[in-house]
This record gives sequence, structure tokens and C-alpha cells, in this order.
Amino acid sequence: QAHLVESGGGVVQPGRSLTLSCAASGFPFRSYAMHWVRQAPGKGLDWVAVISYNGGQTYYDDSVKGRFTVSRDNSRDVLYLQMTRLRPEDTAVYFCARTSDHGASDYWGRGTLVTVTS
Amino acid sequence: SFELTQPPSVSVSPGQTARITCSGDVLPKSYGHWYQQKPGQAPVLVIYKDTERPSGIPERFSGSTSGTVLTLVISGVRAEDEADYYCQSADDGVRKFGGGTRLTVL
Repeated sequence: QAHLVESGGGVVQPGRSLTLSCAASGFPFRSYAMHWVRQAPGKGLDWVAVISYNGGQTYYDDSVKGRFTVSRDNSRDVLYLQMTRLRPEDTAVYFCARTSDHGASDYWGRGTLVTVTS
Repeated sequence: SFELTQPPSVSVSPGQTARITCSGDVLPKSYGHWYQQKPGQAPVLVIYKDTERPSGIPERFSGSTSGTVLTLVISGVRAEDEADYYCQSADDGVRKFGGGTRLTVL
């Protein structure tokens, strides 16, 4: 059974940086593309970024392009999201999700809350 | 960039059929997927590749597609189906979610 656990969230001031981690277990992590998805309080799901199984390809939503970087360590089964120049509108619960060949995300973590406030 | 549009809310009585639509110009060329999310929980995949149902998802959940419209159908709705539902698709590597539909079971 696949298991994903996010960590690294917290309270941060606008303009600062934060790095989120997602520890994977129960499946061959290096074989799957992985996504970051966020959800602002009381709002809908908002796709953030995707990284291919080997890290060779990455894509970002326009709202985070140039500020966020997704990466992975397949030797440690960990996914990362480096967030820089954070804005109050980045406040959200951040989920990591495994994506299968069909493009849908079939396993999700429980999320970690990032609050950007002065 | 592309957009996926869902109705904000749908209401049905128990035992009835709920239909939730998702419209977008990308849908004729890209698969659509549906997720269910209950308060305080992570999303759960209920339909993938327009019409496929993952193992463990009840048969009352089904999907269909026609042109630019994707539809999630929940037959014989139960109280436990009350949740937010999101469609998702992709274009040139970029993914998007629809705005979400709150299903209320009356």
C-alpha cells in the first residue's frame, strides 16, 4: 500500500523561503511521476507542479513558475518543493500525490499547512 | 493555459442520480479524472481516464464524456457521497483542476 507523508510546513513571513518534503513508502517511488497540489483554506484544489519519474521533466503552474522548484531524491524516496519569495496567497495545505501512467493521482498524502503572514 | 468549469453545487435526494459536469476545450484531446474530497481529508480518485473506476470505488460511480464535457454520474446516491468533487485534466504537461462541485444529499 502506497504511503505518502508531507512535512516542512509552518508559518513564514512574506518574501521568505520554505522547503517541503514528501516521504514515500510502499511502492517503487522511482517509477512514478509525482505532483504537488495545494488547497487554500476553504477553497478548491490548485495544481502546483509535477516531476517525472526520473526528475528529467518538470512543469509548474504559472502562479509559482520561477519561485517554486520541484525535485526528488530517488535514492531516499523523497519528493521536495522548494518555495521562495513566498506570498500571502501561497497560504494553503500542500499535498503530494503519486501519479500513474493514466495521468491521474491515485495516492495522496494528508498534507502540510503553509501559512505566509507578517 | 486552459480552464475547467464545474457547477458550484448539485443537490439530490438519497437514491436519486447525481450528474456533475466539467467543461473545457482541452477535454476532447486529454483524459479527464474525478476526485472526491470530504472535509479535512485528502482527495480520493473516483474516476480516471474519463470512464475508468479504480478498484475499491463503488459501482454507483461512473464517468462519461462527450466533446468538451466530462460527466461524473453517481447512481443511487447515498448520504456518504456528500462531498466536494473535482475534475482534472492536462495540456502540454500542465495540469488543472476544475473549481469543484459541492454535492449535497438532501
